[in-house]
Amino acid sequence: NAGVMQNPRHLVRRRGQEARLRCSPMKGHSHVYWYRQLPEEGLKFMVYLQKENIIDESGMPKERFSAEFPKEGPSILRIQQVVRGDSAAYFCASSPGRGGSGNTIYFGEGSWLTVV
Amino acid sequence: GNSVTQMEGPVTLSEEAFLTINCTYTATGYPSLFWYVQYPGEGLQLLLKATKADDKGSNKGFEATYRKETTSFHLEKGSVQVSDSAVYFCALRGAYGGSQGNLIFGKGTKLSVKP
Repeated sequence: NAGVMQNPRHLVRRRGQEARLRCSPMKGHSHVYWYRQLPEEGLKFMVYLQKENIIDESGMPKERFSAEFPKEGPSILRIQQVVRGDSAAYFCASSPGRGGSGNTIYFGEGSWLTVV
Repeated sequence: GNSVTQMEGPVTLSEEAFLTINCTYTATGYPSLFWYVQYPGEGLQLLLKATKADDKGSNKGFEATYRKETTSFHLEKGSVQVSDSAVYFCALRGAYGGSQGNLIFGKGTKLSVKP
């Protein structure tokens, strides 16, 4: 049973370019989460999605960042016009359900974005 | 709102020493509590969890007990190894739906174990 799959693992972008990070949840999981880890900091929640729905985007920057989880295919975190401050590790996670019942959230190995 | 506070590192121990990493939380209701571990250059791995008061999570020699009265979930290991060197994150997940569905993390505690 494959875990949460993220790609690319490492991505280098020049300032002003777009970055697209992909995440395939674990089999049977319909809830996806994106977190960002800045250097020397903990993980910060960005967005929580179900298929075709954004449940909570309270952690997403207001501009340049967007996320989707279409009916078919992986979840995509998109960062437009990247700046150096976007350099971070972006972690995707999935769970079979939302809060309650002790539903465990499982993480992918992360995508490391470097903006040069 | 919900929050997690864990002891700041770095923590440096000798091999076979006893480890405690403190974690306290603030939450409404009865959240689920987790410890995740991140080895250098890797993603987060679930280490252990507890879903209700007085539950004890355990894995790989690590233990943590869900203490409702002290709102704590301290991580302990009786004898650490060099291979335990990593960053440890305490986290909670709210008991209710909506925005409570995501994990709230502490800032992480870096552990270095010397041979």
